[in-house]
Amino acid sequence: DAGVTQSPTHLIKTRGQQVTLRCSPKSGHDTVSWYQQALGQGPQFIFQYYEEEERQRGNFPDRFSGHQFPNYSSELNVNALLLGDSALYLCASSLNGHLSTDTQYFGPGTRLTVL
Amino acid sequence: DQQVKQNSPSLSVQEGRISILNCDYTNSMFDYFLWYKKYPAEGPTFLISISSIKDKNEDGRFTVFLNKSAKHLSLHIVPSQPGDSAVYFCAASEDTGFQKLVFGTGTRLLVSP
Repeated sequence: DAGVTQSPTHLIKTRGQQVTLRCSPKSGHDTVSWYQQALGQGPQFIFQYYEEEERQRGNFPDRFSGHQFPNYSSELNVNALLLGDSALYLCASSLNGHLSTDTQYFGPGTRLTVL
Repeated sequence: DQQVKQNSPSLSVQEGRISILNCDYTNSMFDYFLWYKKYPAEGPTFLISISSIKDKNEDGRFTVFLNKSAKHLSLHIVPSQPGDSAVYFCAASEDTGFQKLVFGTGTRLLVSP
């Protein structure tokens, strides 16, 4: 059983560009959350998708947007990239996203570098 | 505003001894707490969790203790093994109908043979 997969592994962009990151959840999972982990920090919640809808959002600007597809896979889009967007972007999937006691399973992340 | 704090950036322990990792939180609405372990180039891996209605949860070598009045939790690893060397994150969530994890900044554990 494949776990959470993310692509690409690494990405280098320049300021002002746009980027799309992809995530496939663990088999059977219907909820996908995205987190940003800056260097030396813990992951920060960006947003969560359930049934193709954005259910909740963290303190991130509208430049960050996402999408969930009918097969539960998800994309994270970031527009007008800033140097400060350089981070590890983590995707997590869960089986019962409507439960606060659910367990989230994380992918290996996409390392984004903005020059 | 750091709602979950891990004040020790690193911890070194000898193999076979106990490792104690600490975590403090400020949000009294948190009711579910988790520990994740992260190896380099991998995503965080779920380790153990505890609900606010409990004060202790044990899973093999790992035990999490919760002190609600002090807003403090700790992870005990006994006995520590070199393979436990990793960054450990404490995380918390509120009962809002979905899980939004708030993470601490992590503690790097090094277990030496």
